[in-house]
Amino acid sequence: SQKIEQNSEALNIQEGKTATLTCNYTNYSPAYLQWYRQDPGRGPVFLLLIRENEKEKRKERLKVTFDTTLKQSLFHITASQPADSATYLCALGENFNKFYFGSGTKLNVKP
Amino acid sequence: ETGVTQTPRHLVMGMTNKKSLKCEQHLGHNAMYWYKQSAKKPLELMFVYSLEERVENNSVPSRFSPECPNSSHLFLHLHTLQPEDSALYLCASSQDPGGRASETQYFGPGTRLLVL
Repeated sequence: SQKIEQNSEALNIQEGKTATLTCNYTNYSPAYLQWYRQDPGRGPVFLLLIRENEKEKRKERLKVTFDTTLKQSLFHITASQPADSATYLCALGENFNKFYFGSGTKLNVKP
Repeated sequence: ETGVTQTPRHLVMGMTNKKSLKCEQHLGHNAMYWYKQSAKKPLELMFVYSLEERVENNSVPSRFSPECPNSSHLFLHLHTLQPEDSALYLCASSQDPGGRASETQYFGPGTRLLVL
């Protein structure tokens, strides 16, 4: 069966450290993978997109890797801040109308 | 603001009521989506419209009826819902570049629905 797995337990880290979130998938063939941030009571906000032929993407303090052999994406936030506390969702896209989200991982950055 | 607005933000309805959710995007996109988000569950894609035509219906019960009168507006008509339909309903839009992998989806703030 198809599955997207994100760590359901909250990730608690100290301010200034690097947060690493994991997204694993099975039985999908994504053309691209995206990471979104969601705050309570709000809709998800797009952060980064990485395509199947790309290994790594960076944007400011954010870095995403995509390993289609391992069927895994890692999402890193360097020099984390309390304002980075939120739920982070990964989403796989096979095309524009085949789009699947994980359940998300809650990140808590403590001052 | 993401350029996608949803109304109402909160809705309480009985199982025999009929109500509608509205979504409007101000981004010039040509694809719009409805998602359902229940507690502790992944977002579930319900419907996809591209160029005002429905291109995806993910086995959604008929008590949910979408309508896309133009590329900027999307409605979700609700009737005879069940308590388990209580959730956050999110609308999103994107620019479909002709069938290739889509770029970003822009989400509205959602409508928090409670069915009594």
